[in-house]
Amino acid sequence: DGGITQSPKYLFRKEGQNVTLSCEQNLNHDAMYWYRQDPGQGLRLIYYSQIVNDFQKGDIAEGYSVSREKKESFPLTVTSAQKNPTAFYLCARYTSGGTDTQYFGPGTRLTVL
Amino acid sequence: AQTVTQSQPEMSVQEAETVTLSCTYDTSESDYYLFWYKQPPSRQMILVIRQEAYKQQNATENRFSVNFQKAAKSFSLKISDSQLGDAAMYFCAYRSASGNTGKLIFGQGTTLQVKP
Repeated sequence: DGGITQSPKYLFRKEGQNVTLSCEQNLNHDAMYWYRQDPGQGLRLIYYSQIVNDFQKGDIAEGYSVSREKKESFPLTVTSAQKNPTAFYLCARYTSGGTDTQYFGPGTRLTVL
Repeated sequence: AQTVTQSQPEMSVQEAETVTLSCTYDTSESDYYLFWYKQPPSRQMILVIRQEAYKQQNATENRFSVNFQKAAKSFSLKISDSQLGDAAMYFCAYRSASGNTGKLIFGQGTTLQVKP
């Protein structure tokens, strides 16, 4: 799994409901990221966190929230304020040094009914 | 702000042949990293190859190699001896070497079809 897991694989939500996507890593990496992927498009950064209890907005943070209470966990909440939440969501981990590369989880497909 | 452009939405190649995917980027920085990621139908993002901008030598990984032209801001991916398992969407990505945030900027992707 590349040291990073996401759950669930598929998620359905009714309009007006908040939903939380899980992302866990077991490699003690400092930085974690959330990206959104729409059909035929590249990934866009939602939020990222480089240390526990700190996170930064990415390019499309509106309608999303995150927390980083533990190093291994970086959950993403899609709130009712997100107008078009149906998308594929990818979480990634990163550590500087070594390969200096981001590695991705398997993703969560969110569908709003 | 940095941008990454992949101008080929779709490409196709015959099995065992060679194909080149194009990527251009725009940046005012001199030190950065470039990546190619593969996304097969499973949608798992897989790192294919990476290039440090300060290295003149083009990176290679088995059948995958890049043509990095820093002055032209071009970073193409060559796949030799194409295999059916190479069929996927390929993304070019940029990461600044400053700030150490690790943030990636992605292109729109190129879907590669491999014909038997």
